[in-house]
Amino acid sequence: AQKVTQAQTEISVVEKEDVTLDCVYETRDTTYYLFWYKQPPSGELVFLIRRNSFDEQNEISGRYSWNFQKSTSSFNFTITASQVVDSAVYFCALSAVRETSGSRLTFGEGTQLTVNP
Amino acid sequence: NAGVMQNPRHLVRRRGQEARLRCSPMKGHSHVYWYRQLPEEGLKFMVYLQKENIIDESGMPKERFSAEFPKEGPSILRIQQVVRGDSAAYFCASSPGDRINEKLFFGSGTQLSVL
Repeated sequence: AQKVTQAQTEISVVEKEDVTLDCVYETRDTTYYLFWYKQPPSGELVFLIRRNSFDEQNEISGRYSWNFQKSTSSFNFTITASQVVDSAVYFCALSAVRETSGSRLTFGEGTQLTVNP
Repeated sequence: NAGVMQNPRHLVRRRGQEARLRCSPMKGHSHVYWYRQLPEEGLKFMVYLQKENIIDESGMPKERFSAEFPKEGPSILRIQQVVRGDSAAYFCASSPGDRINEKLFFGSGTQLSVL
C-alpha cells in the first residue's frame, strides 16, 4: 500500500517570506515517482514537478525548489520570497511503476498556503 | 490546445436522482482518470480508463457508480440514486498513454451538490 502524508494542513505567511511544505511518503516499491501539484482557487490542478526515485538531486525552478531525501522518505517543497499569487492548496503525490496503474496518483491531504500582503 | 474539459462545472441533484459528469481529455490523450475530492480532503482515486476499457476501478464504490470512455465522445462518470454523501468535487485527468507514470493534466472539476 502507498501513502502520502502532508502534516501541515494550513500555513500562513507574509509576502516575501520563504516557506517549506512537507511531504512524507510510504511505499514498498523500489521504483516510484513523486509529484507536486498546485490547486489555485479556480480549482484546476496544475502540475509542478515529477521526480523518479533514482534521482535524488535537488531541483530548483525559479522561486521553487524541491528537496528529495530517500533516506527519510521525504519530498519537501520550498517557495522562496513568497507572493500573494502563491496562495493555493499544494498536493504531494506518489505513483507506482506498474502497467495496470498507468499514471495513477496517490495524493496527500494537501496544504493550504495563504500568503498575505 | 484545449485542456481537459469537464462539464458541467456545477451540478445540483436531489437525493435519488442520477448525476452524469462528462470529461473530454486533451487532444491526443487516450487515458482518463477520475478522482473525488471531499471537503477538506485530498483527491481520492476512483477509476482509470483507456478507450473502451476500464483498467482499474479499485477506487469506485461497488454500487451506484459507473464509468465509461467510449471510442467516440467524452468519458462519463455516472452516479445513480445520489445521496448527500456523494456531494464532492469530481476531477478528471488525462495523459497521452505513451508510457506509465506520466504527468496528468487535470480539468477544473465538477462540483456535485446533492440536496
